[in-house]
Amino acid sequence: QVQLVESGGGVVQPGRSLRLSCAASGFTFSTYGIHWVRQAPGKGLEWVAVISYDGSNKYHADSVKGRFTISRDNSKNILYLQMNSLRAEDTAVYYCAKDGLPWQQLALGYFDYWGQGALVTVSS
Amino acid sequence: DIQMTQSPSSLSASVGDRVTITCRASQGISSYLAWYQQKPGKLPKLLIYAASTLHVGVPSRFSGSGSGTDFILTITSLQPEDVATYYCQKYNSAPITFGQGTRLEIK
Repeated sequence: QVQLVESGGGVVQPGRSLRLSCAASGFTFSTYGIHWVRQAPGKGLEWVAVISYDGSNKYHADSVKGRFTISRDNSKNILYLQMNSLRAEDTAVYYCAKDGLPWQQLALGYFDYWGQGALVTVSS
Repeated sequence: DIQMTQSPSSLSASVGDRVTITCRASQGISSYLAWYQQKPGKLPKLLIYAASTLHVGVPSRFSGSGSGTDFILTITSLQPEDVATYYCQKYNSAPITFGQGTRLEIK
């Protein structure tokens, strides 16, 4: 079965960096785009970034553009989110989510499977 | 950016009731619309994609309809386990955006 397991969350001071990882199994990782979606405490869902199946295309939300970078290692079946210059408003549970369609260069699809999430708290 | 607006923001219904949740896009999005269910303290789960296609394993009491700018999620016979927040999401163009959510409770 499809499994997505996030790691790397924690408490970090404003302005510092953190890298999240998402380990995937149960499907052919290298054929699907993967997203990061976040949810601030008590709030709704916010899409953060996506990377295409081969890593050739990436999109980031305006709220994180220039600070966050999505990447992937298809040899290890792992997705990453490098988060720099963190702000208090970045505090959220970060989910990785699999795109619903394979082989999409744009990978701007729906999310058919989600990880359990990793909590990132930005606080001094 | 295309904005997604759900209504109502919350609702309360009885077991067995028919429930409808509406999602409106600020511009036409064809049928690039998905619905998710998030139970309290849990991760979101896909219910419907392409406006009306049921994801694998989703009970048949859930259905979706609409295209263009107006979409509806229907639960034909509400069950206690349907207590959750429901989100619509538009896709196929950046940025991907969600509705603000509809909180569903049992009376």
